[in-house]
Amino acid sequence: GQSLEQPSEVTAVEGAIVQINCTYQTSGFYGLSWYQQHDGGAPTFLSYNALDGLEETGRFSSFLSRSDSYGYLLLQELQMKDSASYFCACPDSWGKLQFGAGTQVVVTP
Amino acid sequence: DAMVIQNPRYQVTQFGKPVTLSCSQTLNHNVMYWYQQKSSQAPKLLFHYYDKDFNNEADTPDNFQSRRPNTSFCFLDIRSPGLGDAAMYLCATSRDRDLAKNIQYFGAGTRLSVL
Repeated sequence: GQSLEQPSEVTAVEGAIVQINCTYQTSGFYGLSWYQQHDGGAPTFLSYNALDGLEETGRFSSFLSRSDSYGYLLLQELQMKDSASYFCACPDSWGKLQFGAGTQVVVTP
Repeated sequence: DAMVIQNPRYQVTQFGKPVTLSCSQTLNHNVMYWYQQKSSQAPKLLFHYYDKDFNNEADTPDNFQSRRPNTSFCFLDIRSPGLGDAAMYLCATSRDRDLAKNIQYFGAGTRLSVL
């Protein structure tokens, strides 16, 4: 089985940096993905890490440490539109995604 | 343009009255998924199709069925909706059952209310 843990909520002001941590327990590891979901909207893919290290995509970066079974999503220069839920997810051996419970990011002016 | 399209966006049904939700995709992806998502929770996989091969999750109730008549379309049938089935239902696709970077593309969802 697989389980992923992430904080339930993070609040920050515009322009700040937010780090969302995700720890996972999996029977086999095939990578860690991050998805963003605005309230009432569809989840959308943000990033994927298969190897240790940092992947940068614009204001968002994702990090993975396989030895620690840990990853994080870093949101920089926060904007109001970044207010959303963020899910970490791991694929199982069939490619099906197991999602964490999600972290709600609240950006305040 | 939307690549995974779900209809309707909102569906109201009565307790016990069968309902069908639809999903279509223009991506020509092999895999289609149906998820149930309740408020402030993660999407929960109900089943998926790898091409025409149907795969049911072990804890998906028998009340939920699915059909995939062709590559582009997939349907979710709820035979006798209960109050606990009120949720957002998300359809998603992926190109293949890759283990590496298995990006899933989600539709906007159908929010089901059961009266």
